[in-house]
Amino acid sequence: QVQLVQSGSELKKPGASVKVSCEASGYTFNKYAMHWVRQAPGNGPEWLGWINTDTGKPRYAPGFTGRFVFSVDTSVSTAYLQISSLKPDDTGVYYCARAGHCSGAGCQGWFDPWGQGTPVTVSS
Amino acid sequence: EIVLTQSPGTLSLSPGERATLSCRASQSVNSRSLVWYQQKPGQAPRVLIYGASIRATGIPDRISGSGSGTDFTLSISGLEPGDSAVYYCQQYGSSPLTFGGGTKVEIK
Repeated sequence: QVQLVQSGSELKKPGASVKVSCEASGYTFNKYAMHWVRQAPGNGPEWLGWINTDTGKPRYAPGFTGRFVFSVDTSVSTAYLQISSLKPDDTGVYYCARAGHCSGAGCQGWFDPWGQGTPVTVSS
Repeated sequence: EIVLTQSPGTLSLSPGERATLSCRASQSVNSRSLVWYQQKPGQAPRVLIYGASIRATGIPDRISGSGSGTDFTLSISGLEPGDSAVYYCQQYGSSPLTFGGGTKVEIK
């Protein structure tokens, strides 16, 4: 079955960096875009952007450029999210989520499935 | 950016009743590009409906979506205890993709 498995929880100090991994299985990795979503404690989800897993080209949502970097390693069917210069406001659960449907016309921007989430806590 | 407003914030209903959740967009959503997710505590969201009204694989027909333009509705009939969750709408018709604030459904 299609599955996304993310790396474990992280506790970081302000100013540090973190790299979250998302390993895909059950489908052809480079045929579907991968999205990243953040959910701060008690809040709804917030879209960070997506990466074309075939070309490696990332697209970032407004407000998530500069410190946020998406990448992929197709040899291990894994997507990565790296966040630098962490701030306490970056605290939350970070999800990878596969595009729900892709065709020759591109991928639709709904997500299925989602990874299990990686809690990231930024605290001094 | 399209802002999605969900109402009510919380819905408290008894088993067997019908839940009606609203998602209103600040501007028209292209091509009915709206999806509904269910999220239970400690879990990732799960897709229920995409394309405003298309059930995802494995979703029972007591869950339905409707609407277009700026007004969308998720309906859940014959509520079961397992339907207790937070429900989010999300639009994917234009970038940036945006989510609503969620409706919490409680089963009495």
